[in-house]
Amino acid sequence: GAGVSQTPSNKVTEKGKYVELRCDPISGHTALYWYRQSLGQGPEFLIYFQGTGAADDSGLPNDRFFAVRPEGSVSTLKIQRTERGDSAVYLCASSRANQETQYFGPGTRLLVL
Amino acid sequence: GQQVMQIPQYQHVQEGEDFTTYCNSSTTLSNIQWYKQRPGGHPVFLIQLVKSGEVKKQKRLTFQFGEAKKNSSLHITATQTTDVGTYFCAGRKDTNAGKSTFGDGTTLTVKP
Repeated sequence: GAGVSQTPSNKVTEKGKYVELRCDPISGHTALYWYRQSLGQGPEFLIYFQGTGAADDSGLPNDRFFAVRPEGSVSTLKIQRTERGDSAVYLCASSRANQETQYFGPGTRLLVL
Repeated sequence: GQQVMQIPQYQHVQEGEDFTTYCNSSTTLSNIQWYKQRPGGHPVFLIQLVKSGEVKKQKRLTFQFGEAKKNSSLHITATQTTDVGTYFCAGRKDTNAGKSTFGDGTTLTVKP
């Protein structure tokens, strides 16, 4: 079956702009996770959804970052007033339920100029 | 907050040699997962360990979870060029937690 998909695959934006990153999880997966990965580092947890609700958003770095999952499937990560330090690969993962295997998408490579 | 450390950061081996990466958590974990990420790719799940002292094998890969559930290791026997990539461990602190804390990985290169 189809895996986790993310769009766009690459995004170049200017400092101060707003961006939205989309994640389509595996069908039927109730848990969805967003991570950020910088070069040479492991994925950094941002937020975890169980269904439509954000069960843990402790990894969001500041209030410029926000994520939604209104129907319990597709999720959007929103970044306001982007900064150069936001440049990274944003990874989405989903799992059938909490604590089960996480399947990662290919990521969105964000570059803020 | 919770920290997960991995050593070594890099490992270069001759094909056929063994390889081990170690993962240490600052806090006791409920479970630990291992992932492999190929250059330019995304993390791919390898295994999850849950029980204290657990040992699991997948062909040439052996995974261990420490007795105190604070450390883990991945051992590859007789490396092959297909083993190239970065190996990450990720720990969950709470039984019901969705959040996983990843180490910074060990990057393995294999010389044929």
